[in-house]
Amino acid sequence: KQEVTQIPAALSVPEGENLVLNCSFTDSAIYNLQWFRQDPGKGLTSLLLIQSSQREQTSGRLNASLDKSSGRSTLYIAASQPGDSATYLCAVPMNNAGNMLTFGGGTRLMVKP
Amino acid sequence: DVKVTQSSRYLVKRTGEKVFLECVQDMDHENMFWYRQDPGLGLRLIYFSYDVKMKEKGDIPEGYSVSREKKERFSLILESASTNQTSMYLCASSPWTEIYEQYFGPGTRLTVT
Repeated sequence: KQEVTQIPAALSVPEGENLVLNCSFTDSAIYNLQWFRQDPGKGLTSLLLIQSSQREQTSGRLNASLDKSSGRSTLYIAASQPGDSATYLCAVPMNNAGNMLTFGGGTRLMVKP
Repeated sequence: DVKVTQSSRYLVKRTGEKVFLECVQDMDHENMFWYRQDPGLGLRLIYFSYDVKMKEKGDIPEGYSVSREKKERFSLILESASTNQTSMYLCASSPWTEIYEQYFGPGTRLTVT
């Protein structure tokens, strides 16, 4: 059964820092990996999706990388801002079907002005 | 833009009541999902549907049922609500492609008293 772990569980940084969030998964046979953002009390917003054939994806100040062989993904946030404060979740398909996701526990990020 | 809407943001129900949570997506997606999110337990899949009238159980289907009579609408039903079903409920949809990117609604915070 696929298991997803995110480290650290919480992170507090001063504004302007570059930071890395980590995601690891146990079964490397994945279709894709998706990173989400969740603001308190709200739904999830999709940030980036990396297909299994890709090694990274970029969107603005966000860059996500995928290393299937080691079962790891990282989300890099450049020049962090207070508006980046949120919980970040990664998710991978839980089986060969590819459409049901298993989520990590999330990293709660606080960017202080 | 994909839009997933949920019928209520906040809902308060009494123990034993029958509760309907509605989800509608406007992108003609084949797949629709219901999750619940609890502190310390993360996001867990309750049910998913890959077509009209088709459904599959997720990790925690006990105490829930679902209905998908139209492609755009997926309902979660609590036959007899209990206090341990107090939670945030999130609906999502995705196309039936190799990418399987999931899009989430804003969530329904359900309190059962």
